[in-house]
Amino acid sequence: EDQVTQSPEALRLQEGESSSLNCSYTVSGLRGLFWYRQDPGKGPEFLFTLYSAGEEKEKERLKATLTKKESFLHITAPKPEDSATYLCAVLSFGNEKLTFGTGTRLTIIP
Amino acid sequence: GAGVSQTPSNKVTEKGKYVELRCDPISGHTALYWYRQSLGQGPEFLIYFQGTGAADDSGLPNDRFFAVRPEGSVSTLKIQRTERGDSAVYLCASSLGIGGQNIQYFGAGTRLSVL
Repeated sequence: EDQVTQSPEALRLQEGESSSLNCSYTVSGLRGLFWYRQDPGKGPEFLFTLYSAGEEKEKERLKATLTKKESFLHITAPKPEDSATYLCAVLSFGNEKLTFGTGTRLTIIP
Repeated sequence: GAGVSQTPSNKVTEKGKYVELRCDPISGHTALYWYRQSLGQGPEFLIYFQGTGAADDSGLPNDRFFAVRPEGSVSTLKIQRTERGDSAVYLCASSLGIGGQNIQYFGAGTRLSVL
């Protein structure tokens, strides 16, 4: 059974204070690892997909990296509008369902 | 449409009643997924469709839950004899198809409250 663990559960940063969110996973065969952003009262918004260890992707102040056991979402010089819950999910070979972690609730203080 | 559309956005019902939740996927997307999200948790898979058929319904919690997609586009999630434990946000997602990258795009969800 696929499993995803995210840490920390919550993170408060000052505006401009860089940090990283962690996603550890266990899958029988990784087909893809996904990062989503979720704002209160809204559905998850797709950010990145990573497929193989060593892969990196960037979007504005966010960079996602992948190893064989975990993924990191690095946030550089965050702004208050980056405040949201960040969800990590995995897709394994042989099925089409995403398995999600419980998310990291990120708050950026002006 | 521009994105996945779910209606209603909120549904309040009484214990024991029947409810239907609707999902309109992104135009051209052949795969459609239902997830359920409880407060403070990540979404949990319920069922997915490829075309008109339910390809995997392993996440449906019991036989009170049923979903259909009769024409391969709009889907309806049906819950019979609702229980207070069914209260959650029900999310729908769609993707271009199965296999490959399978990036799933989510709607805003239907918040179901069972009193």
